[in-house]
Amino acid sequence: DQQVKQNSPSLSVQEGRISILNCDYTNSMFDYFLWYKKYPAEGPTFLISISSIKDKNEDGRFTVFLNKSAKHLSLHIVPSQPGDSAVYFCATRHSSYKLIFGSGTRLLVRP
Amino acid sequence: DGGITQSPKYLFRKEGQNVTLSCEQNLNHDAMYWYRQDPGQGLRLIYYSQIVNDFQKGDIAEGYSVSREKKESFPLTVTSAQKNPTAFYLCASSIIGEGRETQYFGPGTRLLVL
Repeated sequence: DQQVKQNSPSLSVQEGRISILNCDYTNSMFDYFLWYKKYPAEGPTFLISISSIKDKNEDGRFTVFLNKSAKHLSLHIVPSQPGDSAVYFCATRHSSYKLIFGSGTRLLVRP
Repeated sequence: DGGITQSPKYLFRKEGQNVTLSCEQNLNHDAMYWYRQDPGQGLRLIYYSQIVNDFQKGDIAEGYSVSREKKESFPLTVTSAQKNPTAFYLCASSIIGEGRETQYFGPGTRLLVL
């Protein structure tokens, strides 16, 4: 049973518009969430994180929102750029410092 | 430059052969991890280690072995018991501490079976 779900395998957005990537989780005890970006044949790159004591964290064009009651987090990228085209993984901290990853969403930003 | 290195970038394994993937970090991180990624799937944890000479099985440890003799190094051996080894293997490391568990990844090794 997947504890972290990214239900949209792909997303296509026009350059300059907002990209919204979604992630749902099942365990209300999860308290730390991360987003990673991955290009083909490369390792994931850390983008942004959020602790469960917050509902929003912003870093430049990237903002993560956390809705604990809905067990849902989202990553907003605005404005989207062609270089943002990649696979985005959400992850959450499990016990003993392990991370659980979603299956990823492939973002395509069209010029 | 600080970072995580993995070698080789590509590795070919013959039937019945054990192969070892290298992972080195100079970030002075305490914890190191090995993940496997299959097409269309997320990252699945194979093994992790929080301290030298100690490691724990992840979710898919069968057919794999690791060692942690040095803080900087966490090699992964894919044994002949792993029946479906073709995948992209990622090594990561992190500091251990509240709110600091962000894991940083190496560039990956792609393992192919001949």
